[in-house]
Amino acid sequence: QSVLIQPPSASATPGQRVTISCSGSSSNIGTHVVNWYQQVPGTAPKLLIYANDQRSSGVPDRFSGSKSGTSASLAISGLQSEDEAAYYCAAWDASLPGPMFGGGTKLTVL
Amino acid sequence: QITLKESGPTLVKPTQTLTLTCTFSGFSLSTSAVGVGWIRQPPGEALEWLALIYGDDDKRYSPSLRSRLTITKDTSRNLVVLTLTAMDPADTATYYCAHRTGSGSQYYFASWGQGILVTVSS
Repeated sequence: QSVLIQPPSASATPGQRVTISCSGSSSNIGTHVVNWYQQVPGTAPKLLIYANDQRSSGVPDRFSGSKSGTSASLAISGLQSEDEAAYYCAAWDASLPGPMFGGGTKLTVL
Repeated sequence: QITLKESGPTLVKPTQTLTLTCTFSGFSLSTSAVGVGWIRQPPGEALEWLALIYGDDDKRYSPSLRSRLTITKDTSRNLVVLTLTAMDPADTATYYCAHRTGSGSQYYFASWGQGILVTVSS
């Protein structure tokens, strides 16, 4: 089980806003930046948000990231059917030589 | 444009050694700020970071798999090789290589390969 805790699933209807949380600790999110990856079924992960709140190139401004203390959040507004995917948070941890990923949140657009 | 592609066997037997190659273009793995990482994903499960190699040949491994993993690079041929020994059915997963970049204390996997599904079965 990952040290970065995400809800396993989330759902919303088109046009709505949804928020996905990522909970960590002082040794990871509390100390390091958080990155978010989107994985559409059957495809490779894609960088969505880096350094807590910076959108990767080409990512619509409907996507936004934030961090507070030992938690981070990904918000998607104006939800579209193409946003149906799994979303993973990631951060370095002081006790590890590399990044750790959250367990992922599968977003369903109803 | 940065591209990465994984290659290697898609079926290995238990106890065998897996060797995967990541061939990349669009960047040079020659400075400490740049790295190539390997991440795997068992079917239906989450991503798991395995190993990372930097341009200065610094290597990092997941503690849980360190004894079984080796990562190397060939800068002139733009490729990174990952070996995983003593394969087990639990190692069945899609294996991805990714380009690690960033600056200061802000690093991330900006580009990913398409992945290669490796099945471990006798």
